Amino acid sequence: AQKITQTQPGMFVQEKEAVTLDCTYDTSDQSYGLFWYKQPSSGEMIFLIYQGSYDEQNATEGRYSLNFQKARKSANLVISASQLGDSAMYFCAMRELNAGGTSYGKLTFGQGTILTVHP
Amino acid sequence: KAGVTQTPRYLIKTRGQQVTLSCSPISGHRSVSWYQQTPGQGLQFLFEYFSETQRNKGNFPGRFSGRQFSNSRSEMNVSTLELGDSALYLCASSIPRGTGANVLTFGAGSRLTVL
Repeated sequence: AQKITQTQPGMFVQEKEAVTLDCTYDTSDQSYGLFWYKQPSSGEMIFLIYQGSYDEQNATEGRYSLNFQKARKSANLVISASQLGDSAMYFCAMRELNAGGTSYGKLTFGQGTILTVHP
Repeated sequence: KAGVTQTPRYLIKTRGQQVTLSCSPISGHRSVSWYQQTPGQGLQFLFEYFSETQRNKGNFPGRFSGRQFSNSRSEMNVSTLELGDSALYLCASSIPRGTGANVLTFGAGSRLTVL
């Protein structure tokens, strides 16, 4: 069974500095997708970035980049130049792409990391 | 373009009652998924609907059910409510594109409190 582990319950970062949020995953599938979502206190989950297991380049989206190390089964999120608005809960998630059929609506989430950005 | 709309946003029920939550996906999105979020269990997948058919179901008791209408709007129902059903219920929609990169767009959730 697939599993996502986020070992940092909380992280603090100074405004304008970079921060790395850790995520490791466990799957027996060769084909899968990894996602990061942000959840502000309002509750809505906001998509940040996606990495496919066969993607050779690390994904980047603006200030967000994903440090994908397939052999280590890690997919850490790097936020550069942190802003006060980045304070939120961050979730790493995975979708397995099974040969027998994929449920595209099903993601497995980690427990999340609360990021606090200090001015 | 309007996002995913969930109603009601907040509701309070008592044990034994039943509740129905509604989700209107983004226009053109045909897949709707539901998740339960609690402090103890985190985010857990409930079920997924596509073209009015349930495609997948998470590990929840039969008290949790859902359906999807021809306009892709979805409802989920929880019968015989228990205290442990208190949670944020999130709905997500997608086209889907049939690739691993299919992105789920979430609504703001319905926060259910069971007393």
